[in-house]
Amino acid sequence: AQSVTQLGSHVSVSEGALVLLRCNYSSSVPPYLFWYVQYPNQGLQLLLKYTTGATLVKGINGFEAEFKKSETSFHLTKPSAHMSDAAEYFCAVSLTGNQFYFGTGTSLTVIP
Amino acid sequence: DTGVSQDPRHKITKRGQNVTFRCDPISEHNRLYWYRQTLGQGPEFLTYFQNEAQLEKSRLLSDRFSAERPKGSFSTLEIQRTEQGDSAMYLCASSFFAGGSYNEQFFGPGTRLTVL
Repeated sequence: AQSVTQLGSHVSVSEGALVLLRCNYSSSVPPYLFWYVQYPNQGLQLLLKYTTGATLVKGINGFEAEFKKSETSFHLTKPSAHMSDAAEYFCAVSLTGNQFYFGTGTSLTVIP
Repeated sequence: DTGVSQDPRHKITKRGQNVTFRCDPISEHNRLYWYRQTLGQGPEFLTYFQNEAQLEKSRLLSDRFSAERPKGSFSTLEIQRTEQGDSAMYLCASSFFAGGSYNEQFFGPGTRLTVL
């Protein structure tokens, strides 16, 4: 069975500080992993994805994530938070690339 | 805008009524997905189509739920005899599958259903 666990439903950081959003997955085989962002009243937008190849993945808006098989983790980071980063972030896993299993989300607040 | 669109954006209904939502995918996309998202949760997969064929359904999709994609373009999701537990955001996504193992899904803004 596939699942993801997002540690911390709410994360607050100061503007300019490091953003770290945690995601651990459960899968019997190496899965596809994704981070999505959801702004209020908008659909989910893909931030980045890991399918195969390089384990450090760079996405949009300065975000990146590293696939660590030994830790079954796919944490999302950004070196310097911006006010516009305030949103809900979802980690997702898929074995087939079709059916996705999402985490419960982490709400990011950026403090000026 | 050529993204995924959903209609209506909001729907308020009384318990026991039927509701229907529509999703228009990105025009060249052959796959279409439906998800449900409740407050404080991530999206939960409901079903997906490739062209007009419904290929997979979640066990979350009870008998009261039915989805169609009759011409392989837009899709409808109908909920019969709505219950208060059906209150959620219903999300649609589409992708272009051309073989291989991964196809990026693009999400619509969702339809928020409130059952009174």
